[in-house]
Amino acid sequence: AQSVSQHNHHVILSEAASLELGCNYSYGGTVNLFWYVQYPGQHLQLLLKYFSGDPLVKGIKGFEAEFIKSKFSFNLRKPSVQWSDTAEYFCAVNALGTGRRALTFGSGTRLQVQP
Amino acid sequence: EPEVTQTPSHQVTQMGQEVILRCVPISNHLYFYWYRQILGQKVEFLVSFYNNEISEKSEIFDDQFSVERPDGSNFTLKIRSTKLEDSAMYFCASSVGAGVSNEQYFGPGTRLTVT
Repeated sequence: AQSVSQHNHHVILSEAASLELGCNYSYGGTVNLFWYVQYPGQHLQLLLKYFSGDPLVKGIKGFEAEFIKSKFSFNLRKPSVQWSDTAEYFCAVNALGTGRRALTFGSGTRLQVQP
Repeated sequence: EPEVTQTPSHQVTQMGQEVILRCVPISNHLYFYWYRQILGQKVEFLVSFYNNEISEKSEIFDDQFSVERPDGSNFTLKIRSTKLEDSAMYFCASSVGAGVSNEQYFGPGTRLTVT
């Protein structure tokens, strides 16, 4: 069964700092990869997704993520964070070829951006 | 933009009682899901539903749980006899199809508190 690890549980940054949140998954086959964001009091929203093709994917609000197959990683990045990026970020995986559509989530990273 | 909606936003119930959590998926979506997030833990898959039957379920989804699409718009999760450990945030999600474009749209969640 696949699993997802997010190494940073809580990250505190100042505005304009660069962000990188780690995500590693364990599954030997083909995967779809997602990053979701949950702003305080709101529901999970899709930030970006990787299905195939260019391993560098760009999402909303200036976020991007890079799929490195050899490292089983899908790290989320943003060059300059804003206070409004304060939220919880979840990496998720869907393993293809298993017939499963369920997403497997990481434990989440709480990002706090200080003005 | 169409959204997944859930009611109620917060449900408090006593142990042993039955609860029904309601969801209205996005109207042209065919696949429906329930996930839960116990406070401080990761989002976990419960069940997926397609063509009026369960297509996939996790080990969490035991005989105490059931899902139903009682009409053309609602998708419900019933917990027959709630336990303290059922206290969690329950998220409904829906997706258009089952192929590689398995982008799941999440609702705002129902916070279930079992006392």
